[in-house]
Amino acid sequence: LAKTTQPISMDSYEGQEVNITCSHNNIATNDYITWYQQFPSQGPRFIIQGYKTKVTNEVASLFIPADRKSSTLSLPRVSLSDTAVYYCLVGDMGYNFNKFYFGSGTKLNVKP
Amino acid sequence: GAGVSQSPSNKVTEKGKDVELRCDPISGHTALYWYRQRLGQGLEFLIYFQGNSAPDKSGLPSDRFSAERTGESVSTLTIQRTQQEDSAVYLCASSPGPSGISYEQYFGPGTRLTVT
Repeated sequence: LAKTTQPISMDSYEGQEVNITCSHNNIATNDYITWYQQFPSQGPRFIIQGYKTKVTNEVASLFIPADRKSSTLSLPRVSLSDTAVYYCLVGDMGYNFNKFYFGSGTKLNVKP
Repeated sequence: GAGVSQSPSNKVTEKGKDVELRCDPISGHTALYWYRQRLGQGLEFLIYFQGNSAPDKSGLPSDRFSAERTGESVSTLTIQRTQQEDSAVYLCASSPGPSGISYEQYFGPGTRLTVT
């Protein structure tokens, strides 16, 4: 099962673009890449999910290179409310799914 | 609509006692997950239920931990003979279930367990 590695923390300023990279060298063919956001005292919340290339929604973009051994979550023009822990998750979403591994998470601190 | 609910929200228990944590998933969601999150740490996968299939229990940290699910509804996580290292937030999540493509998990607010 693929496990993930992320930076422990990152600092940014309001209005900047933030890119958080996750490494998953052992990703399997059937694995999808998912990112979650967690605020203190709350459960994680889904941000974005992808399999390959680029995925974009109203909140973020996800860039996945051809070898899929890493992925980058891009948050455009962050605000103070984006201060949270961001988790990269890799797992097989099919019927043979057994386990999910959340990474250690990246604590993003957005400063004014 | 209603999200995932968990009860109790907080539980303080004495070392050696048994505790039962409850999770009510979103109606219609066939998949249910339990995670443990220690203070300042990431999520640790515990167990996954999908429909009527046998769950994979290999993520449970010891034989003091067990989980059950009634059909595609409520789930309970039981911790027997609690230890101080069991203190954590226990998070439950549900999702619509596998459809051959990816799907997201919806998390509950968690149960904060403190073992004294």
